[in-house]
Amino acid sequence: QQQVRQSPQSLTVWEGETAILNCSYENSAFDYFPWYQQFPGEGPALLIAIRSVSDKKEDGGFTIFFNKREKNLSLHIKDSQPGDSATYFCAASKTGGYKVVFGSGTRLLVSP
Amino acid sequence: GGIITQTPKFLIGQEGQKLTLKCQQNFNHDTMYWYRQDSGKGLRLIYYSITENDLQKGDLSEGYDASREKKSSFSLTVTSAQKNEMAVFLCASRQDAETLYFGSGTRLTVL
Repeated sequence: QQQVRQSPQSLTVWEGETAILNCSYENSAFDYFPWYQQFPGEGPALLIAIRSVSDKKEDGGFTIFFNKREKNLSLHIKDSQPGDSATYFCAASKTGGYKVVFGSGTRLLVSP
Repeated sequence: GGIITQTPKFLIGQEGQKLTLKCQQNFNHDTMYWYRQDSGKGLRLIYYSITENDLQKGDLSEGYDASREKKSSFSLTVTSAQKNEMAVFLCASRQDAETLYFGSGTRLTVL
């Protein structure tokens, strides 16, 4: 049972373009949605997160758009740089809960 | 700041062998996690522990045991390694905020 789905599995964009990574979830009880960034040989690290009471969260060149009714969200990476090449995981959890569910990840390659 | 240390970084085992992975954190966090990362499958929760001596099964607990004897450490045991198994095991910790802090992983190969 995959509670959090991500697409595409891999994505290649040119330097300077906006990369769009998608995520959907099944459990309506989830109310916290972090995105983690992982570089090869390292563990994932929190990039940006949104709560279900908001429909948008920005931090630098990273923006989350959230649609509670449709149970989906997307991560936009504006002006992508080669250093943004990494795997991005969407995750979901309930406030006060302990389980954090991850999607299968999107591998992003930014070509110079 | 703090750090999560996972040992060993690389683990090569034989089919049927019992293998133990260790994780230490100096954040003083209450909750710790073990995730398994397979290519194309994301992170799947094996075990988590809310506090010292607590153990909770995740979605992938079959074939694994865990131990949380101290607040700072969380061990995972593969009870019988499967031939040709290859995966990365990630340890993480968390306090009241929702952010998970991950170690760099233990890469398991079973011959």
